[in-house]
This record gives sequence, C-alpha cells and structure tokens, in this order.
Amino acid sequence: GAGVSQSPSNKVTEKGKDVELRCDPISGHTALYWYRQSLGQGLEFLIYFQGNSAPDKSGLPSDRFSAERTGGSVSTLTIQRTQQEDSAVYLCASSRGPDPSYNEQFFGPGTRLTVL
Amino acid sequence: GENVEQHPSTLSVQEGDSAVIKCTYSDSASNYFPWYKQELGKRPQLIIDIRSNVGEKKDQRIAVTLNKTAKHFSLHITETQPEDSAVYFCAASGGSNYKLTFGKGTLLTVNP
Repeated sequence: GAGVSQSPSNKVTEKGKDVELRCDPISGHTALYWYRQSLGQGLEFLIYFQGNSAPDKSGLPSDRFSAERTGGSVSTLTIQRTQQEDSAVYLCASSRGPDPSYNEQFFGPGTRLTVL
Repeated sequence: GENVEQHPSTLSVQEGDSAVIKCTYSDSASNYFPWYKQELGKRPQLIIDIRSNVGEKKDQRIAVTLNKTAKHFSLHITETQPEDSAVYFCAASGGSNYKLTFGKGTLLTVNP
C-alpha cells in the first residue's frame, strides 16, 4: 500500500515569507508526528497528533510554527515569517496507534526547506 | 525531558569488520529503544528495537543490547557490507510520553 507522502519535496523561499508543508499519512493511522532534521543533527520532535485529542505541541521551537490535522488525516505544518535557521528537512511520520513500542512509525520522504 | 546522546558521530570500517554504535539516555522511565537507518537521500526506516524487559535482541547481522542500570544501549553490526553505509539513529521513549527522542546520528561508512 501507499506509504507516507509529503509535498513539496523541495521548497525554496525568501526570508520573511510563510510556507506550508503537507503530510499525507498512511490510511488508517491515527498518530502523526512532525520532526525537523537539520544538518548534523538528529530528528527533532516538533508536534504530535493522536486521533481527536489535543496535539502535543511541546516541540515547536517558536510561535511562528503551527500545525493542523484536518479530519484526522492530512496534516499541514505552517512556518510564518521564515528565518534562515528554519532551513532543514521536515519529516512527517505516522503510526497505527500512539505507543511507539507497539506501533512502528513510518516516515515520509521529507520536505527540504531552504530559506534564502 | 528525555535526552539521548549517541557516539560516535562518524564511523568508518572495512567490509567484513564489525561496527558498534552507542547511545545513552537520561530518563529512567524510558522503556523502548528503536534504531533507524537512513540511507543518503532516503527516509529513516526502523531496523531493530528493544524493550526494557529484554537485555539483547538479534536479527541476522544486527543486534542491540540494553543496560538499564547504566542507561545505555548499543547497536552491533557484524560482517559489515557496503550497503550498510548509512546514518543510524538511536531513540528512546517511555512512560506517558509517546514521543521518540532521537540521538544525533552516526554516519557509518563501510569501505570495500
């Protein structure tokens, strides 16, 4: 079946502009995660959605970052007033349920964001 | 919150040799420790994991060991092959926290 998909694959923007990154999780997966991968860094947790529960936003680095998940499926990560330090690969993952020890997280291919 | 340290950041071995990557974690409530492999330009993929009630787990050429007392766990790859070249990430999660906290990754290069 289809895996996690993300769009766009690459995004180049100018400092100060807003960007939207999209994630389509695997059908039926209730948990969805956003991570940021900067050069030489690990995967930094940003936000987590589980079903209809309030999202865990504890990893968002600033109030310029926000995310939505509509209808329990597609998710959009929005970065407002982008800064050069926002340049990174943004990865989305989904899993069948919330507990990672019983529900493998499947990653999308990522969106490479470059802020000039 | 949880903090995961991973070493080394880069590792170069000859084909056929073994490779060991080590991670430490800070939260004693963590009980699940997966390892992900990310080939160049590709998405991370789970290769092996271990739960805190187990000390060692093997899957063909790869194995993971866990020392709960010392709060560290390691990935062992034997008889390395060029296709093992990738970035490997360890992670930890547990308790009421469903987040995975990742290490910064190890770039493994297997030289033919």
